[in-house]
This record gives sequence, C-alpha cells and structure tokens, in this order.
Amino acid sequence: NAGVTQTPKFQVLKTGQSMTLQCAQDMNHNSMYWYRQDPGMGLRLIYYSASEGTTDKGEVPNGYNVSRLNKREFSLRLESAAPSQTSVYFCASTQWAQGPYEQYFGPGTRLTVT
Amino acid sequence: SQQGEEDPQALSIQEGENATMNCSYKTSINNLQWYRQNSGRGLVHLILIRSNEREKHSGRLRVTLDTSKKSSSLLITASRAADTASYFCATGDDYKLSFGAGTTVTVRA
Repeated sequence: NAGVTQTPKFQVLKTGQSMTLQCAQDMNHNSMYWYRQDPGMGLRLIYYSASEGTTDKGEVPNGYNVSRLNKREFSLRLESAAPSQTSVYFCASTQWAQGPYEQYFGPGTRLTVT
Repeated sequence: SQQGEEDPQALSIQEGENATMNCSYKTSINNLQWYRQNSGRGLVHLILIRSNEREKHSGRLRVTLDTSKKSSSLLITASRAADTASYFCATGDDYKLSFGAGTTVTVRA
C-alpha cells in the first residue's frame, strides 16, 4: 500500500514554462486535494475534487488547473509558471462521507521558479 | 482564509517535558483535527475530536475541545526528540479542510 504518491519530488522551472504535477492514491478515496505550503503560511488549498468527475477551486486557484483523471489520479498543471508559484506542493486524499475524515498526504513536490 | 490559528508559533522544550499548543477557530465545527509535519515531509494525521467530545487521548497525546470558546489544545506528554515537528490544527466543511499556520516544536536533548 503506497498511500499517496507524488511526482516529481523536485522541479526547477523558468518563468513562463509549464508543467504538470502528478498525484495518485491507492486507498480508494473519493476526495483529493492540492495544497501549497509557503514558509510561515501553513497549507493553502489550491483545488480539490470531492468525487470523481468534479473539481472545485480552493483558496488560491489562480495560475493553476487540475484534472481528476480517474478515481486514483489528480493532476495539477501550471500553464505559465511565475516566481510567486515557488512553493512546496502537497497532494492529499480522504474518504469524505458524513463529515471530514483524516487526510492522507503525499511527500510533496518542491518547485522553484526562476 | 485560514480557519484555525495555532498559538504559540514556536515552542522549545527539554526532552521529557510536556508541550502544549492551542488552536482557535472562527465558525462552528463538526470536528477538529491535529496533524504533525516533520521537516521536509507531508502532514500526518494525529487525532480527530468531534464537536460533542471534550477530551480525547491517543498515546502521549491529549486533545481538548471547548466549543463555547471555539478553541482546542494539544498536549504532548514526556516529549522526545522525535516529537520535533510542526503541528497544525484543521477544521472542515463542504469537503474542505482549513489549516492554521502551525506551531513549531523543538525538543532539546
């Protein structure tokens, strides 16, 4: 049981380049999330998918797009990277039934935009 | 905006001492969760306390919840070097969790 996996672990982009962060979970969870974490800011929600086939904006969606490819996979795309998107990105999943349950987090992707 | 706010921002204690951190939140909740993050890693769920519970234990962790004051506390007893981490509270609604900025705990040997 791998839990939540993320690729890549590290990435350096130049301003204006694009990339896709991949996330997969093997726990049969229905809900998946993308967060970014900046120093001293805690986690901020970028986008989430409450169930397969749905996606919704979180607190900081500008500059990002997402795709819930299937129940297991949820990708985050940066179309034109900016230095302000330098951050650590975490994917998480949970089985959301009658209220929030614990979220399981991936190891993170450390992205630097120069 | 973040729902929960942890206090203090940072805490340094000697191994064997207890560590207490607090979380305040703004709106009514169904439950509140605490997570730990070791340096450079993803968050790990520690404990969930429901709105109708006042106290919950898990190993060396004790969590209290006071819904009238909209606050929770996390106590780590007999701290160890491995407890050095950041601790976050989180509350949720509409499929989303909101995290505070965290308390960074350093346990000195």
